[in-house]
Amino acid sequence: GDSVTQMEGPVTLSEEAFLTINCTYTATGYPSLFWYVQYPGEGLQLLLKATKADDKGSNKGFEATYRKETTSFHLEKGSVQVSDSAVYFCALSDPFSSGSARQLTFGSGTQLTVLP
Amino acid sequence: NAGVTQTPKFQVLKTGQSMTLQCAQDMNHEYMSWYRQDPGMGLRLIHYSVGAGITDQGEVPNGYNVSRSTTEDFPLRLLSAAPSQTSVYFCASSYGVQASDEQYFGPGTRLTVT
Repeated sequence: GDSVTQMEGPVTLSEEAFLTINCTYTATGYPSLFWYVQYPGEGLQLLLKATKADDKGSNKGFEATYRKETTSFHLEKGSVQVSDSAVYFCALSDPFSSGSARQLTFGSGTQLTVLP
Repeated sequence: NAGVTQTPKFQVLKTGQSMTLQCAQDMNHEYMSWYRQDPGMGLRLIHYSVGAGITDQGEVPNGYNVSRSTTEDFPLRLLSAAPSQTSVYFCASSYGVQASDEQYFGPGTRLTVT
């Protein structure tokens, strides 16, 4: 079945540091890939997505590139801020998997804390 | 638009009690789903619905029931609560039918079963 493996957390960085959160996946078909972010006490919200190989998703200074050859979708940001402190989830949606095509398969989440 | 709303925000139940978690959306989305979030496990799909009157099971459906009588509402029922159902529950919805479509999540319900 489909699966998503995320970098273990928690991750603690100083403000303005470079961020990378690794994400790799296995899928039956050709999935769409997502990064969702969960701020404290809130639900998940979409941060960025990519739907085909070599696509780069970007939002709020975050970027991730869909790498089919390495089955990866690593999240990066050049200079993190205190307000980026949150839990980040990598996820995929596989139209060829059994069940709902819109079902999201999530990684376990990575807690990021940015210190001033 | 209020987006996806969930009630209650917190709930404590005793083993064996039943309750319904409410979920509503005002975006006219056809697809709605319920996930549970447990530490170190990400989110897992419980049940989903592709439209009014149509529901199906997800990855972890045991102990939960759903119904979809309207496009707007998708309640989740716990028939006989167990401590293993202690979790944070999220409802989500999306408009389109494609795997690439964004899903919108509610703020969650934190449930504790003692």
